[in-house]
Amino acid sequence: GQNIDQPTEMTATEGAIVQINCTYQTSGFNGLFWYQQHAGEAPTFLSYNVLDGLEEKGRFSSFLSRSKGYSYLLLKELQMKDSASYLCATMDSNYQLIWGAGTKLIIKP
Amino acid sequence: IAGITQAPTSQILAAGRRMTLRCTQDMRHNAMYWYRQDLGLGLRLIHYSNTAGTTGKGEVPDGYSVSRANTDDFPLTLASTVPSQTSVYFCASSARDGSDSPLHFGNGTRLTVT
Repeated sequence: GQNIDQPTEMTATEGAIVQINCTYQTSGFNGLFWYQQHAGEAPTFLSYNVLDGLEEKGRFSSFLSRSKGYSYLLLKELQMKDSASYLCATMDSNYQLIWGAGTKLIIKP
Repeated sequence: IAGITQAPTSQILAAGRRMTLRCTQDMRHNAMYWYRQDLGLGLRLIHYSNTAGTTGKGEVPDGYSVSRANTDDFPLTLASTVPSQTSVYFCASSARDGSDSPLHFGNGTRLTVT
């Protein structure tokens, strides 16, 4: 079956670095997305990886290892506004998105 | 401002009632989607449309129907609501289906069926 696992909740301190992991098992693979969702709001796109390696976008970076079925989202210099849920989603062989349940990130001062 | 508009923002209704959730986008995106989001679960695809005039079933289509008469509008109809359809519903669009085009989401409709 198809499955995506990510931690339910994580806590980090303002100014620090946090890594949110995502492991997946899908029928085929056509890329992995990360979205941010603030409470009560819509998800917004953060990153897309289809090749192995690290993609950096300012304070946020996303890493992919296709052989390990593994990705992580790295957030640096954490700010209070980064408190949100982070959703991992993979695109399978039929180009359908399979979503993880999301990781709620709590930032403490 | 370009984007996706969903209506209503929230709705409470009794079981057995018919309900249509509206979704309009002005980005001229070909692909549109309806998801439901429930606590502890990932977003689940209800129905999708790759282009105007075509629709397809997602992971949880039972009890829901959609139409895509034009590029901009993609309404979701619940013919006879049941309490298990209590959820937050998100409409989304992307420039192209089956690609790296990210999804753009509406602000969601919070539906409560009593």
